[in-house]
Amino acid sequence: GAVVSQHPSRVICKSGTSVKIECRSLDFQATTMFWYRQFPKQSLMLMATSNEGSKATYEQGVEKDKFLINHASLTLSTLTVTSAHPEDSSFYICSGGLAPQETQYFGPGTRLLVL
Amino acid sequence: SQQGEEDPQALSIQEGENATMNCSYKTSINNLQWYRQNSGRGLVHLILIRSNEREKHSGRLRVTLDTSKKSSSLLITASRAADTASYFCATRGSGNTGKLIFGQGTTLQVKP
Repeated sequence: GAVVSQHPSRVICKSGTSVKIECRSLDFQATTMFWYRQFPKQSLMLMATSNEGSKATYEQGVEKDKFLINHASLTLSTLTVTSAHPEDSSFYICSGGLAPQETQYFGPGTRLLVL
Repeated sequence: SQQGEEDPQALSIQEGENATMNCSYKTSINNLQWYRQNSGRGLVHLILIRSNEREKHSGRLRVTLDTSKKSSSLLITASRAADTASYFCATRGSGNTGKLIFGQGTTLQVKP
């Protein structure tokens, strides 16, 4: 199957700093990628849909100015958590597929800890 | 927003037994997918069943879909300790957005 990578796998930062997480499709081109957040022992919550070459579509309740998404190429989407706070500590997972309606392949996730 | 509800929330069985997990959803769907997640790791796609399908098999996995009841079940036969993980159903709506909405998940423990 298709492979999606994320970098970094784990990051610790101080409150108030910004953190960028990369999501790459390694062997396919993804016009659409999705970003999820998962708190401990909970399910995945869709944060936003990342569209190559256009603005991301955010889910209700997700602050677009806090979670900046850039999808500059068909193989790379980035999520920047701006002015991170301890409550932003979570597991962030991205996914991509050959087409939005087809099977989505998930990255291994990025664990963010904000001190 | 979450639309999938799964039960049970937790399931503990002995190796060799079968495990059944159920998922219910609220709106019309294009397809329903099941994923496995080992602790602290990413998701592994298990199986996809389309809205016009009623049953699908993949190895030791059997998935059913009842669109009239808006429910699906995942059966793992002859379970192994390595099957210990969290299992999530995810629905894709009828639109073209491709968004997946995940259920709450079932944590399965298979005791050797």
